[in-house]
This record gives sequence, C-alpha cells and structure tokens, in this order.
Amino acid sequence: DGGITQSPKYLFRKEGQNVTLSCEQNLNHDAMYWYRQDPGQGLRLIYYSQIVNDFQKGDIAEGYSVSREKKESFPLTVTSAQKNPTAFYLCASSSLDSDPYEQYFGPGTRLTVT
Amino acid sequence: QKEVEQDPGPLSVPEGAIVSLNCTYSNSAFQYFMWYRQYSRKGPELLMYTYSSGNKEDGRFTAQVDKSSKYISLFIRDSQPSDSATYLCAMSLTGTASKLTFGTGTRLQVTL
Repeated sequence: DGGITQSPKYLFRKEGQNVTLSCEQNLNHDAMYWYRQDPGQGLRLIYYSQIVNDFQKGDIAEGYSVSREKKESFPLTVTSAQKNPTAFYLCASSSLDSDPYEQYFGPGTRLTVT
Repeated sequence: QKEVEQDPGPLSVPEGAIVSLNCTYSNSAFQYFMWYRQYSRKGPELLMYTYSSGNKEDGRFTAQVDKSSKYISLFIRDSQPSDSATYLCAMSLTGTASKLTFGTGTRLQVTL
C-alpha cells in the first residue's frame, strides 16, 4: 500500500529533551512537509523540502530541525528550544508534477512534553 | 487578523440535512481553494479543490468560490453520520508547492 507513515502515534517526553519524529513515504513524492496542529490554530507549516538535501523554514520553524537525506524520509526533531512542544504533528508529501500539488497527510504523532 | 478565517463550530445537524461550511480570506492572490476532511486523531484527507472562482461538484459535495467576496463554501447534501469530522479549508497561490494556508477547521456532528 502506498502512503505516508508516521511513528510513533503517541510520544511522551520530559521537558529539556530533544525528540525526533519519523516520517516515511512510498509515494515517490518529491516534496515533504511538517505541520503542527493545535486546538483553535489550524495547521501551521514548520518546514518543507522539495528535494533531497534541501529544505526551507515554514512559518514556525524556531525550535525545530529537519533533515532530508533520502527522498522517502523527512524526520523532524523537536528541540528543547521549542517553548510549547506539546501538539499534534502532521507530515505530508506531494508530487511536484502539476498544480495544485495535492498534499497527502500521514496519520500524525501526538507529542506530549511534561 | 488571520489570513483565513473559519468558524470552529461545533456544528450539529440531523442526518439528511444540507450542511454549509464557509471560509473567508484576505489575500486576493490565492488561486487554489481546497477542502480537507479530518476524522478525530487522524491526518486530513483532501475532499476536493477548485481553481479560481466557480463551483465544483463531487457526489454529495459541492465547493463554491466567490473571489470577489473572498469567500468559499463547501455544501454537503444528504449528510450522513459518517460525515462527522472536522472540515478544513486551505488555499494557495499558483505554483507554490510549499505554501498551503489553512483555516482553523469546523467541527461537524451529524446526528441520527
């Protein structure tokens, strides 16, 4: 089955620890994205990548880092510098063949930091 | 002011009702308008999209865009309990893979 997998589904961490969220896709999509979803805020773009070894900051990149070493994988690290890390994190991917670049989403990872 | 405004609801309707979900936006340069459906604790899935102004129909769903009013709508006919979800509008400029601007989502509950 083609799709996007995110792991784990639920993640708990202590404040001050870095944590890495996994995102893998087998859709052969060039572009991948990370969003954060909070109640009443909608989805906000953290980082995106259109090609291997290249990525750009989204609207709320502070306290996060990413890498894109393989086309299929786009892990997100939530660092201790992120002030409010507890949220639902969504990974997405899209082809770049034609507009409007439909984005397919993974099932999400719910991160709780205490 | 947010670039995209969407009433968060919740909106509760009886089965079989016609549902109207709406978003307003401020950036007149948006060209693509999308509706995503998100079930609880799941990722969003694309329902439909429209380019520029006009209507688009897909089964029980109709999307409308009025660029002059900066207003988009999603209509659901003959609503079913399985339609209970959060509906997110999203929009983008032409040719920008990176930039979808989302509304906050409207939570819909269809009751028996």
